[in-house]
Amino acid sequence: EAGVTQFPSHSVIEKGQTVTLRCDPISGHDNLYWYRRVMGKEIKFLLHFVKESKQDESGMPNNRFLAERTGGTYSTLKVQPAELEDSGVYFCASSQDWFGTGGRAFFGQGTRLTVV
Amino acid sequence: ELKVEQNPLFLSMQEGKNYTIYCNYSTTSDRLYWYRQDPGKSLESLFVLLSNGAVKQEGRLMASLDTKARLSTLHITAAVHDLSATYFCAVNNAGNMLTFGGGTRLMVKP
Repeated sequence: EAGVTQFPSHSVIEKGQTVTLRCDPISGHDNLYWYRRVMGKEIKFLLHFVKESKQDESGMPNNRFLAERTGGTYSTLKVQPAELEDSGVYFCASSQDWFGTGGRAFFGQGTRLTVV
Repeated sequence: ELKVEQNPLFLSMQEGKNYTIYCNYSTTSDRLYWYRQDPGKSLESLFVLLSNGAVKQEGRLMASLDTKARLSTLHITAAVHDLSATYFCAVNNAGNMLTFGGGTRLMVKP
């Protein structure tokens, strides 16, 4: 069974440019999450989709970040315009069940974003 | 706001030795997860602990959860080089998000 797939694995862009990250969850997982780890800090929650709906986007840092999940399958996270502080590793995860019922999230390998 | 603290942040140990990584969290929860990450790889799920007193073991790793103390431990027995990685604990206390600790980078030296 394929795991969570993210691409690109690395992206280097200039400040002010736009970048779109993509995540393909495990097939059949309704729950999809985005997290990120900026340099030297903890992995932080960004948002959670259930199918195509945003269930919780409390972790999105500002309106330069836009996440979508068309048709409840893959998801994209767009940063526009990118700022230096957006540099970090962006992880996507998916799960079949909610954590409240003991669900387990499976993570992708992450996209390392560097804004210069 | 839930805070999760791991210690140590960095651990260098010799093969064959035992050691424990600690994960403290600030608010009530009985759902704690341990993950392992190799450089450039995904976070691999190691253990899911869902109740007070839960203990899970796999190979040289054993995880436990004390919800009253708000503490989880990841014990390494007779470490081997293949265990070198970064280990994260994460807590779910509300909603459907995980709050992560800062990670423990483990290096096992021959």
